[in-house]
Amino acid sequence: SYVLTQPPSVSVAPGKTATIACGGDNIRNKRVHWYQQKPGQAPVLVIYYDSDRPSGIPDRFSGSNSGNTASLTISGVEAGDEADYYCQVWDTSTDHQVFGGGTKLTVL
Amino acid sequence: EVQLLASGGGLVQPGGSLRLSCAASGFTFGSFALSWVRQVPGRGLEWVSAISGSGVGPLYADSVKGRFTISRDSSTNTLYLQMNSLRAQDTALYFCAKGGTSSPRYYFDNWGQGTLVTVSS
Repeated sequence: SYVLTQPPSVSVAPGKTATIACGGDNIRNKRVHWYQQKPGQAPVLVIYYDSDRPSGIPDRFSGSNSGNTASLTISGVEAGDEADYYCQVWDTSTDHQVFGGGTKLTVL
Repeated sequence: EVQLLASGGGLVQPGGSLRLSCAASGFTFGSFALSWVRQVPGRGLEWVSAISGSGVGPLYADSVKGRFTISRDSSTNTLYLQMNSLRAQDTALYFCAKGGTSSPRYYFDNWGQGTLVTVSS
């Protein structure tokens, strides 16, 4: 089955740029989606189809996908961005949705 | 405004059954796929099951296939998950999630608040 690998944690100072990686075999051939989950809340879609932003998501959030790594980039990080972030793809070989293990973003 | 209200969780003994419901509103029910995603508190997200907007071709994670059944009722705009032969490993918060298209093979653009299932004797 397809595996998505994320770093368990990323730390960044306020105002700086955070990049969260999502690794997978030839992930460039898949459409990657990203979710933000704050404690006690349901996940929220922040990026879909690699780099599209849903309405209401600030343009500080952006995504890219190349080679074996997709990335979520948050520029001008704010305290309110502190959350867990998950990447997700559809695995065509198994007809299953797959989530990465999640990355905890800490704003220093 | 899209709303997804999950209910039906609770405490059940191993081997028991439970039916989760998710009442949907704020969108054209039959035009979008719906899914169940679960999360053990403090752990990551795990996809459980999905059903297309038309209701055909339900899909299941290997961990629940043969034990769980997903269905949807367009007359009441409700998504269901019938869970049988429950195991301790099924203990989790269960979210219902709306797909961005009628196919279950894409992203989830809205999530409900979740309902907690605890399997324990």
